[in-house]
Amino acid sequence: GEDVEQSLFLSVREGDSSVINCTYTDSSSTYLYWYKQEPGAGLQLLTYIFSNMDMKQDQRLTVLLNKKDKHLSLRIADTQTGDSAIYFCAESYTGTASKLTFGTGTRLQVTL
Amino acid sequence: SQTIHQWPATLVQPVGSPLSLECTVEGTSNPNLYWYRQAAGRGLQLLFYSVGIGQISSEVPQNLSASRPQDRQFILSSKKLLLSDSGFYLCACKGVNTGELFFGEGSRLTVL
Repeated sequence: GEDVEQSLFLSVREGDSSVINCTYTDSSSTYLYWYKQEPGAGLQLLTYIFSNMDMKQDQRLTVLLNKKDKHLSLRIADTQTGDSAIYFCAESYTGTASKLTFGTGTRLQVTL
Repeated sequence: SQTIHQWPATLVQPVGSPLSLECTVEGTSNPNLYWYRQAAGRGLQLLFYSVGIGQISSEVPQNLSASRPQDRQFILSSKKLLLSDSGFYLCACKGVNTGELFFGEGSRLTVL
């Protein structure tokens, strides 16, 4: 079955770049996503990448996809304290219901 | 775009009591709807999904059930809560473009 793995915690200094990594197992994934969850809130879609792309950039966010290694990363440039949150990667599970499988989430802590 | 409403936002219930969490969606019709659970310190587990009125698919055997009495209403229920049912419950709706999910703000359930 599908499995998505992430490291649990990352701490960076304000102004530095953050890189959050994710590995997945379903080679038939169509889209891969990054979500952000602030404390006590639902998940907010940050960005996504189509599986035939290697990279996608959206303002401070850069997504890199290595399909051969089934590795996805999210880079946040100039990390701010407001970026402190849990970040989830997710892959789409092919099927009529378009279910998503989520990783365990990486808690990003931004220090001054 | 879709808006997902969940209530109640917070709920404390004794073991053995019933449960009803409601989710309604605005801004779309005939959506795919999902219930996820997020246990403390863990990722998101898909519990149920629905592709239409009265159509429910269960992903994991458990103490919970789901119903979809109307096109844009999705309800999560239990007849007798267990301690292990505690968690953060998220309702989600599938987007129309790339299969992304839009989430509600969640319902936090504590079973004592």
